[in-house]
Amino acid sequence: DQQVKQNSPSLSVQEGRISILNCDYTNSMFDYFLWYKKYPAEGPTFLISISSIKDKNEDGRFTVFLNKSAKHLSLHIVPSQPGDSAVYFCAASPYGANSKLTFGKGITLSVRP
Amino acid sequence: SAVISQKPSRDICQRGTSLTIQCQVDSQVTMMFWYRQQPGQSLTLIATANQGSEATYESGFVIDKFPISRPNLTFSTLTVSNMSPEDSSIYLCSVADGGNQPQHFGDGTRLSIL
Repeated sequence: DQQVKQNSPSLSVQEGRISILNCDYTNSMFDYFLWYKKYPAEGPTFLISISSIKDKNEDGRFTVFLNKSAKHLSLHIVPSQPGDSAVYFCAASPYGANSKLTFGKGITLSVRP
Repeated sequence: SAVISQKPSRDICQRGTSLTIQCQVDSQVTMMFWYRQQPGQSLTLIATANQGSEATYESGFVIDKFPISRPNLTFSTLTVSNMSPEDSSIYLCSVADGGNQPQHFGDGTRLSIL
């Protein structure tokens, strides 16, 4: 039973355009959500997070939106840059950021120059 | 954020052998975790490494197969015991330091079993 789902395995976007990466979850107990970026041969790097008491969190070019009623979150990257090309993982936790994380399978983002 | 060093970065092992993976952090941290990423799959939590006591294992993972030590607040080891080809994965250490700080990951150990 996959509790965090990233249904699109890949996304290709033109440089300068917006990238929208989607994530759905099934467990109503999740109250904290994170996005990680992963380059080949490296560990996941924390990107941005959001608590369930918010519906939006912004950090520079990265914005995460949370729709609790739909159990859906999305990561927006504007503008997209070639260096953003990586695998993006959505993760969720019922007890805050530093407890057990449940990850999706990841989305491979390719930003074309 | 903390600097996390994992050793070895990769290894190729024979079936039936065991390998110990080390995770060293450059500062004391409250929480340390071990994850596994099988090919084409998401990261799955194996266990939480508790300092001075037995690790807390997730469903589907047992101490006999994945013994974990955490002798202090900066170091932990994960042993993959009696390896089979199904254990071929990336094993990752992560750390967190209380509050609502996010977990940070090491670069992982890429393990292949022949």
